[in-house]
Amino acid sequence: GENVEQHPSTLSVQEGDSAVIKCTYSDSASNYFPWYKQELGKGPQLIIDIRSNVGEKKDQRIAVTLNKTAKHFSLHITETQPEDSAVYFCAAKEVRTGGFKTIFGAGTRLFVKA
Amino acid sequence: EAGVAQSPRYKIIEKRQSVAFWCNPISGHATLYWYQQILGQGPKLLIQFQNNGVVDDSQLPKDRFSAERLKGVDSTLKIQPAKLEDSAVYLCASSEGTGGAGTGELFFGEGSRLTVL
Repeated sequence: GENVEQHPSTLSVQEGDSAVIKCTYSDSASNYFPWYKQELGKGPQLIIDIRSNVGEKKDQRIAVTLNKTAKHFSLHITETQPEDSAVYFCAAKEVRTGGFKTIFGAGTRLFVKA
Repeated sequence: EAGVAQSPRYKIIEKRQSVAFWCNPISGHATLYWYQQILGQGPKLLIQFQNNGVVDDSQLPKDRFSAERLKGVDSTLKIQPAKLEDSAVYLCASSEGTGGAGTGELFFGEGSRLTVL
């Protein structure tokens, strides 16, 4: 089955700097890669996603890139703000008989220092 | 639009006791998921329902965990008897479908935090 690895586990940046989180996946059949943000005491919330037929996608300060050949994808946050502090999870959607399954990485705790 | 509702938010029990968690998904969402999130880890799928049928329960410890989704709407996850390693946040999520041409975006509830002493 699919396996998703995520790095780093913790990331601390100064407000205004950029943050990059990287993930790798194992199943070449995976075709959808969402990123979720989890704030303290809340459930994860989708912030951006990318399909396997696209190499890059941007939404304001957030961008994702995908390298299908290398099986890795990354989240880039520019001009970080204190409210970006949270745990971020990458995920890969595993294509399988009977439906689809979303496999999550272990998460990256992002601290943005004011 | 109302989100995914879960209860209780917090539960503390002794090992070998039982506990049940309830989830009400977003109206109209056919697929419901229960995830287990251990501190410092990503969510791990326990069971996935499509309407009231089970799609995937391969990672559900069936000797102690059970789940049902009666009438294809609300769902209950039960643990009996609980072990220390069951301490985690139990997240319920729902999506419009399982995927296909769509993405099957997951909408999560706030979770039920279980502490087993």
